[in-house]
Amino acid sequence: SAVISQKPSRDICQRGTSLTIQCQVDSQVTMMFWYRQQPGQSLTLIATANQGSEATYESGFVIDKFPISRPNLTFSTLTVSNMSPEDSSIYLCSVFRVNTEAFFGQGTRLTVV
Amino acid sequence: AQKVTQAQTEISVVEKEDVTLDCVYETRDTTYYLFWYKQPPSGELVFLIRRNSFDEQNEISGRYSWNFQKSTSSFNFTITASQVVDSAVYFCALGWGKLQFGAGTQVVVTP
Repeated sequence: SAVISQKPSRDICQRGTSLTIQCQVDSQVTMMFWYRQQPGQSLTLIATANQGSEATYESGFVIDKFPISRPNLTFSTLTVSNMSPEDSSIYLCSVFRVNTEAFFGQGTRLTVV
Repeated sequence: AQKVTQAQTEISVVEKEDVTLDCVYETRDTTYYLFWYKQPPSGELVFLIRRNSFDEQNEISGRYSWNFQKSTSSFNFTITASQVVDSAVYFCALGWGKLQFGAGTQVVVTP
């Protein structure tokens, strides 16, 4: 199994500011991902966080808006930059281990006002 | 491209009724995993089951059962004798590593 600690659990931010979300895993994992869940919607993959190199972004997501760092195999951050109300969502960190489940953090509930 | 379809947006049942959630998927991969997750109103994702593409055995866990049919690319989920605590959004997901989620099905169980 994997225990994922995600911080903050929620935040209310002013438009135009940035928020950095942290994801800490209790053991080393190769595959780590960031998802967004907009209100009433499903989960959408933002990017794959690659250790020691630039993240791999999905269509519709760009590094300038969602910069991601992954300095080691247990930690990653996602920054939501220059926020607007449309960025109000739940952001989830996920890790994947072969032959087991995909583990998710408890999520960061972001409201932009 | 991978795709997961959960055609049922919302299902409302009375307690003790059975409810079946449909999941149809598309993939060109030969190896993949299928998942079901529960998201209660609190928001966290609760893992329910993982199924490997090579394992077509159906599975039962308590009141939950899953029917995986590769021939029809379906992975359906049944809750038997539903309870109020089963009220949640249920997501079907497909992938190996990064996951493609279906739109989710809201299940409402009333007493």
